[in-house]
Amino acid sequence: AQSVTQPDARVTVSEGASLQLRCKYSYSATPYLFWYVQYPRQGLQLLLKYYSGDPVVQGVNSFEAEFSKSNSSFHLQKASVHWSDSAVYFCALSGASSGSWQLIFGSGTQLTVMP
Amino acid sequence: EAGVTQSPRYAVLQEGQAVSFWCDPISGHDTLYWYQQPRDQGPQLLVYFRDEAVIDNSQLPSDRFSAVRPKGTNSTLKIQSAKQGDTATYLCASSPSQYNYAEQFFGPGTRLTVL
Repeated sequence: AQSVTQPDARVTVSEGASLQLRCKYSYSATPYLFWYVQYPRQGLQLLLKYYSGDPVVQGVNSFEAEFSKSNSSFHLQKASVHWSDSAVYFCALSGASSGSWQLIFGSGTQLTVMP
Repeated sequence: EAGVTQSPRYAVLQEGQAVSFWCDPISGHDTLYWYQQPRDQGPQLLVYFRDEAVIDNSQLPSDRFSAVRPKGTNSTLKIQSAKQGDTATYLCASSPSQYNYAEQFFGPGTRLTVL
């Protein structure tokens, strides 16, 4: 069965520091992977997506993620965070279940950026 | 281009009451999804449509939940007799395709509290 695990429920970093949010997946084939961000009282917004090819993908607002098939991971990174990056981040995979495709989300990581 | 719109934004009910949520997807998007997002969890798919047809409703509690998309555009999700366990944010998303690589665009959600 496919699943997504985000082991860190909460992460706190100082403004200007680097960031890594972890994501592990379980899927029988090569997955389609996504990172979404959710700001308070808003819907989810796509940060980046991986389909194939270069394992390092660039996204909006200087975020990037690295796909690792050997580690079944898709960690999100940013070199220097800003206070406005404070939000909840969701990793998701697109997989087939009972003949239909659906997004399967992790439980999310609440990021707090301290000024 | 207008995004996905949802109404109402908030709803507060007593157990046993009914409630309906309305979603207007992005124009031209043939696929529409409804998700349930409990507090501090990731979204979980309830049902999705391609045009007016239900593609997957296997995770919709059919005894109390129903969803329709009669003309393949707007959609309504209804809870017939709400329970406290239904307290969550209900997200609508749309996509230009039902394929696994297609990005989903999310609305702001309806936050439901059942007392």
